[in-house]
Amino acid sequence: GNSVTQMEGPVTLSEEAFLTINCTYTATGYPSLFWYVQYPGEGLQLLLKATKADDKGSNKGFEATYRKETTSFHLEKGSVQVSDSAVYFCALRNTGFQKLVFGTGTRLLVSP
Amino acid sequence: DADVTQTPRNRITKTGKRIMLECSQTKGHDRMYWYRQDPGLGLRLIYYSFDVKDINKGEISDGYSVSRQAQAKFSLSLESAIPNQTALYFCATSENAAPSYEQYFGPGTRLTVT
Repeated sequence: GNSVTQMEGPVTLSEEAFLTINCTYTATGYPSLFWYVQYPGEGLQLLLKATKADDKGSNKGFEATYRKETTSFHLEKGSVQVSDSAVYFCALRNTGFQKLVFGTGTRLLVSP
Repeated sequence: DADVTQTPRNRITKTGKRIMLECSQTKGHDRMYWYRQDPGLGLRLIYYSFDVKDINKGEISDGYSVSRQAQAKFSLSLESAIPNQTALYFCATSENAAPSYEQYFGPGTRLTVT
């Protein structure tokens, strides 16, 4: 079946530190991959996406590259800000299905 | 105004009561979804609807029912609430456009069953 595995949190960083949140997936076929972000008290928002192998999604300084050979879609940011504190969800949508499969989420806490 | 709205935002109810959570959208999307979020479990799909006449069970539909009253409205009901249905509930919509079918989420309803 389809599944997404994320690193457990919380991830605690100081402002301007480098961020990596790991995400690996299991899927048949050629899934599309997503990162969603949930700020406190809000719903999920799409942060970035990649729809085929070797694509790089990017937004707001965040990047993730679709690596088919390692079935991974790690989220990175070169310099985090306090305002990046949130829960980050990795997700996939498999070919032919209109449903998302989510990871368990990783909480990021950035201190000044 | 928000594109996807949910009412109520917070609700406390007692075991055995019937409760309805409502979702409305102004995005003009055909596809709508209900998820629940539990700590450590991420989001799990309860029901989804690809148009007004098409409703499907998700991975955890037991104890829930839905109604798609119009393209813009999708309601989730708990016929007889139980404490393990305490969770954060999200409605989402998606476009019909390949390849990403991006989903747009409402702000959530926090439900507590005592």
